[in-house]
Amino acid sequence: QKEVEQDPGPLSVPEGAIVSLNCTYSNSAFQYFMWYRQYSRKGPELLMYTYSSGNKEDGRFTAQVDKSSKYISLFIRDSQPSDSATYLCAKGSNFGNEKLTFGTGTRLTIIP
Amino acid sequence: DARVTQTPRHKVTEMGQEVTMRCQPILGHNTVFWYRQTMMQGLELLAYFRNRAPLDDSGMPKDRFSAEMPDATLATLKIQPSEPRDSAVYFCASADLPGGSEKLFFGSGTQLSVL
Repeated sequence: QKEVEQDPGPLSVPEGAIVSLNCTYSNSAFQYFMWYRQYSRKGPELLMYTYSSGNKEDGRFTAQVDKSSKYISLFIRDSQPSDSATYLCAKGSNFGNEKLTFGTGTRLTIIP
Repeated sequence: DARVTQTPRHKVTEMGQEVTMRCQPILGHNTVFWYRQTMMQGLELLAYFRNRAPLDDSGMPKDRFSAEMPDATLATLKIQPSEPRDSAVYFCASADLPGGSEKLFFGSGTQLSVL
């Protein structure tokens, strides 16, 4: 079992819809959780990070962590075609985020 | 606009050949990572350096892969001899760790195809 599991999709939703992306992890020793966005033929870029249970909002994006169930979610409100990308969840080690473990990514397409 | 630069962007080679990938981290960043991305495994950490010293290379096949930082502006990843299973996108990332921003800055990657 991989330490971070993520549904690869692909996921297609109409513009304006709410998108829910999810990951589960298996090692509760890790404290940092992140979401990276990766456009085609580009490197990942950090979208959001959090180190505690609960919600963190940034504009149209909300990251949610439930440590009791080892579940990580990213919600995108009012989705736009520019949100079409692969989204990777990641978690950091006890020593900070030096050794990130990534999920395989979910490919998202927003249909205009 | 500071960014991580990787060369080459694409590399096609034959099995058994040596491959060298290069990375210029963001000026001032003290930590450099090498990741490999495949469809099946996703992003896997191969090795990383702090202030040019190797901290962890446990994710790297030791018999054929080697990673170095000849100076603060250059990191290299070498595969010798290359094999078809090495075909993947190799990413370099840099960051200011620990204590700085948690953000890793990734380059655009080297797409490697070994025939």
